[in-house]
Amino acid sequence: AQSVAQPEDQVNVAEGNPLTVKCTYSVSGNPYLFWYVQYPNRGLQFLLKYITGDNLVKGSYGFEAEFNKSQTSFHLKKPSALVSDSALYFCAVRVSRGGFKTIFGAGTRLFVKA
Amino acid sequence: DTAVSQTPKYLVTQMGNDKSIKCEQNLGHDTMYWYKQDSKKFLKIMFSYNNKELIINETVPNRFSPKSPDKAHLNLHINSLELGDSAVYFCASSQDRDRNSGANVLTFGAGSRLTVL
Repeated sequence: AQSVAQPEDQVNVAEGNPLTVKCTYSVSGNPYLFWYVQYPNRGLQFLLKYITGDNLVKGSYGFEAEFNKSQTSFHLKKPSALVSDSALYFCAVRVSRGGFKTIFGAGTRLFVKA
Repeated sequence: DTAVSQTPKYLVTQMGNDKSIKCEQNLGHDTMYWYKQDSKKFLKIMFSYNNKELIINETVPNRFSPKSPDKAHLNLHINSLELGDSAVYFCASSQDRDRNSGANVLTFGAGSRLTVL
């Protein structure tokens, strides 16, 4: 089955420190991988995606993600966390089955402490 | 503003009732979706429509009936509501016309929180 896994329910980091939110995937063929962020009482917002090419993808708000084919991972990173980065982060993979659908991981809650 | 808009934002109702949630997008996208987010924040796709045609139906109970009168609208009607239907329902859209449809990004509405008592 095609899926994504986010092994951490929660990540805590101090403001100014680097952050990593982990994601691994299981898909057949080339993966289309995404990160979305959800702030309280809001819909999900797109952060970045990997389709092909450079393994390091840069996205919104200073976030980046590294695609690692051998480890089937797509970890989200930011060099210096802000308190305002505190939110729920979803890794996702887009798969084709009849039509395209996006499958989300369980989400990782990021807390950035001042 | 270009967006995906859902109504109502909050819905509180009794078990057994029938209710509808409406969704509209003015992004010119050709594909629309309904996702359910449960109390543990897990997101699961329910349906997708492409140009008013049902493309994906993820083994959702028959009590849930989506309707797409045109490609800018996708409504969700729920019959005989049950306690387990309590969740936040998100509408989303994407443009899937081109060959790189796998790369296309979803744009989400703000969600409709349904509480069944």
